[in-house]
Amino acid sequence: GESVGLHLPTLSVQEGDNSIINCAYSNSASDYFIWYKQESGKGPQFIIDIRSNMDKRQGQRVTVLLNKTVKHLSLQIAATQPGDSAVYFCAEIPFSGGYNKLIFGAGTRLAVHP
Amino acid sequence: NAGVMQNPRHLVRRRGQEARLRCSPMKGHSHVYWYRQLPEEGLKFMVYLQKENIIDESGMPKERFSAEFPKEGPSILRIQQVVRGDSAAYFCASSPSLGSGSHRQYFGAGTRLSVL
Repeated sequence: GESVGLHLPTLSVQEGDNSIINCAYSNSASDYFIWYKQESGKGPQFIIDIRSNMDKRQGQRVTVLLNKTVKHLSLQIAATQPGDSAVYFCAEIPFSGGYNKLIFGAGTRLAVHP
Repeated sequence: NAGVMQNPRHLVRRRGQEARLRCSPMKGHSHVYWYRQLPEEGLKFMVYLQKENIIDESGMPKERFSAEFPKEGPSILRIQQVVRGDSAAYFCASSPSLGSGSHRQYFGAGTRLSVL
């Protein structure tokens, strides 16, 4: 579904702790899910993606988990650093014979404290 | 290896003027997407183009907005007779046409449009 114009939820963590950011998606037929990081004044930056036929994928310090039963996606960041402070968006790609759009979630602001 | 380039970064227009936003995709990418973002919100899809073709414009307002991606040159998002409600950040993304990773979209830094 479409994101709603609310103040972004904020997750505050201590430097060095692990962070978990959650996202609910709407379309059970979506083929890919992507996490983006957006720093203030910048465009979204690709972090990691996962295809709908997987339930877990790991990258460098990040892990994405996909639970299709409850249409839930999470991003885990290990040993969170001050540079991880940003707004994180999940996005889904409905497959309709070609990849043509991203549908973004509402976003979560991650604040990392020293 | 330049990423997606958008210009201008900031654009100020008065009500009724035209706004032209430009986007050059990453080298080797032939698919371009435009998104709009209001403060504290996620990006909203507007239009998807391939060279010389509009593939999906389902997110674009029917009036005053148009987009093109000519054979040569950048993609252009054009907003005619701007109104205050058009003030937003407009992001362009690009993706490769084929192969693994063709679903991944890479974003530019955006154009922030302010309508006075």
